[in-house]
Amino acid sequence: SQQGEEDPQALSIQEGENATMNCSYKTSINNLQWYRQNSGRGLVHLILIRSNEREKHSGRLRVTLDTSKKSSSLLITASRAADTASYFCATDSQGAQKLVFGQGTRLTINP
Amino acid sequence: GAVVSQHPSWVICKSGTSVKIECRSLDFQATTMFWYRQFPKQSLMLMATSNEGSKATYEQGVEKDKFLINHASLTLSTLTVTSAHPEDSSFYICSVRELGYSNQPQHFGDGTRLSIL
Repeated sequence: SQQGEEDPQALSIQEGENATMNCSYKTSINNLQWYRQNSGRGLVHLILIRSNEREKHSGRLRVTLDTSKKSSSLLITASRAADTASYFCATDSQGAQKLVFGQGTRLTINP
Repeated sequence: GAVVSQHPSWVICKSGTSVKIECRSLDFQATTMFWYRQFPKQSLMLMATSNEGSKATYEQGVEKDKFLINHASLTLSTLTVTSAHPEDSSFYICSVRELGYSNQPQHFGDGTRLSIL
């Protein structure tokens, strides 16, 4: 299956700075989801944004969705060392049960 | 608490061995479960969709005779890697989705790291 693209592939910032990750996809979607994966672990759901929504917040997370550009961004504000992980976007397309994952962004927060 | 339990978390075995991985939905009934494979520093690749009481749906390029999936109850799906070889070494992750899945996230197990010697 085709996967979306995320950029950057890797991001390293200082603690306290903001981190922005971008995701692009190819098909029409019902929603777009962001997940976090700590090394060697499963995925943890962060936030889901529906196709008719443009922005969503959850704590220090802010997600935007632009369906005309088929793109989304995840912003983590005031980053912490514990935010170090890989972040994946995944699209839930109309008529399909399955998620299609992006390539992921490996985020490193330096203390 | 955990919504999905995956077992075992780590397996090391000899080439030619068959390995069974279990995925249990703890909080709700799951007519559909998903099996993914992930290679180091790569994304998740969907292998198959497991359907309770019927045959699994495999993604293109995934050998159904190699990766046997059984979804015998609404809370348990198993993936058996038959006659495993070193190239089957990977991180295998399952996920579940609640009934009426539209606009709901998937819940993932903690994964199984399979190492074939």
